[in-house]
Amino acid sequence: GENVGLHLPTLSVQEGDNSIINCAYSNSASDYFIWYKQESGKGPQFIIDIRSNMDKRQGQRVTVLLNKTVKHLSLQIAATQPGDSAVYFCAEKTSYDKVIFGPGTSLSVIP
Amino acid sequence: DSGVTQTPKHLITATGQRVTLRCSPRSGDLSVYWYQQSLDQGLQFLIHYYNGEERAKGNILERFSAQQFPDLHSELNLSSLELGDSALYFCASSVSGTYTDTQYFGPGTRLTVL
Repeated sequence: GENVGLHLPTLSVQEGDNSIINCAYSNSASDYFIWYKQESGKGPQFIIDIRSNMDKRQGQRVTVLLNKTVKHLSLQIAATQPGDSAVYFCAEKTSYDKVIFGPGTSLSVIP
Repeated sequence: DSGVTQTPKHLITATGQRVTLRCSPRSGDLSVYWYQQSLDQGLQFLIHYYNGEERAKGNILERFSAQQFPDLHSELNLSSLELGDSALYFCASSVSGTYTDTQYFGPGTRLTVL
């Protein structure tokens, strides 16, 4: 069945270091991927997206990498800050309208 | 603040009851999506409405239904509630119905079924 999973359920990083959050997806037909950030007590917040015809996309302090060969997605956060502490979800869209979320990775930034 | 509002913030009810969750999208957004977030199932897509019409269904139970009104607000109705329905329910809105539209999530409604 369809599955979007994360390799690491929790990640602790030192403030100022770079963070890498990984995600595996199983449906090769997925053509659109999104990373969301969810802070405690809030709804998910869009961070960055990438289409399947791209390998890399950069935003402000964030970069998403897509490796279609091994069906792997990663989110890199540069110079991680305490405000980056949250749960991060990857999501894939396998058809026009349905989105499948991964289980989430909890990022904890150590001051 | 995403601009999406949801009411109520918290809801506590008993098994077998029926509840209605309300969502107001961002001004100008035509699409509303409903999601359920539980500890065991994670975040799951339930249903999508665009300009009053149902666009897509996800893992929505038959006991659940939704609608989007002419003023574009949406309601999610949950009936014959079970303990397992306890979860956070989020709605999100986007400008149009295209799948690459950015979705803006509301703060959620926490439903507790006792």
